[in-house]
Amino acid sequence: AQKVTQAQTEISVVEKEDVTLDCVYETRDTTYYLFWYKQPPSGELVFLIRRNSFDEQNEISGRYSWNFQKSTSSFNFTITASQVVDSAVYFCALRRMDSSYKLIFGSGTRLLVRP
Amino acid sequence: DTEVTQTPKHLVMGMTNKKSLKCEQHMGHRAMYWYKQKAKKPPELMFVYSYEKLSINESVPSRFSPECPNSSLLNLHLHALQPEDSALYLCASSQGQGWQTQYFGPGTRLLVL
Repeated sequence: AQKVTQAQTEISVVEKEDVTLDCVYETRDTTYYLFWYKQPPSGELVFLIRRNSFDEQNEISGRYSWNFQKSTSSFNFTITASQVVDSAVYFCALRRMDSSYKLIFGSGTRLLVRP
Repeated sequence: DTEVTQTPKHLVMGMTNKKSLKCEQHMGHRAMYWYKQKAKKPPELMFVYSYEKLSINESVPSRFSPECPNSSLLNLHLHALQPEDSALYLCASSQGQGWQTQYFGPGTRLLVL
């Protein structure tokens, strides 16, 4: 079974705080891809990162960083020094290497950054 | 440029109306997707077109009819919808099949009265 769990439904932080969004996935595949998308109130899903199952290097992009650990099936996302513009729903997704094209989304984490 | 455009942004229609949603991309992507997203839920895949041919229909009711006139355009024709079809409809595209990243448009917010 393929499944993505984002246990944090909603997180509220004060601006400039660091915040980590958790993502745990289940798959029996050895090859797969993981994604993070941001959905601001406007509705568009904005692609943030793609990571394949063979690349466990952590990644940093500005204030964003991602920690991929196959041993715990987790792909967590940290925002450093959060800003009000980071307020959005964040989705973690799993993509199998098959012809289904399907992105298996987690339920999303709503992040509210208060000024 | 990773832009996918969708029109209209908002649509209100009655249950007897016929309307269409439009999606366009100029990234040379050969796979295009329709998703439906209800409030506080993740997107759900509806249809996939690959090289302008319908390759996946996720058991979507026939009142939703997709069309891919060319490699840059994707339409979703709506007819005799129900109030429960009210949702955000998202279009996405990717370079091809497989693991390529799907890039999403801003969506059309549909309200069925």
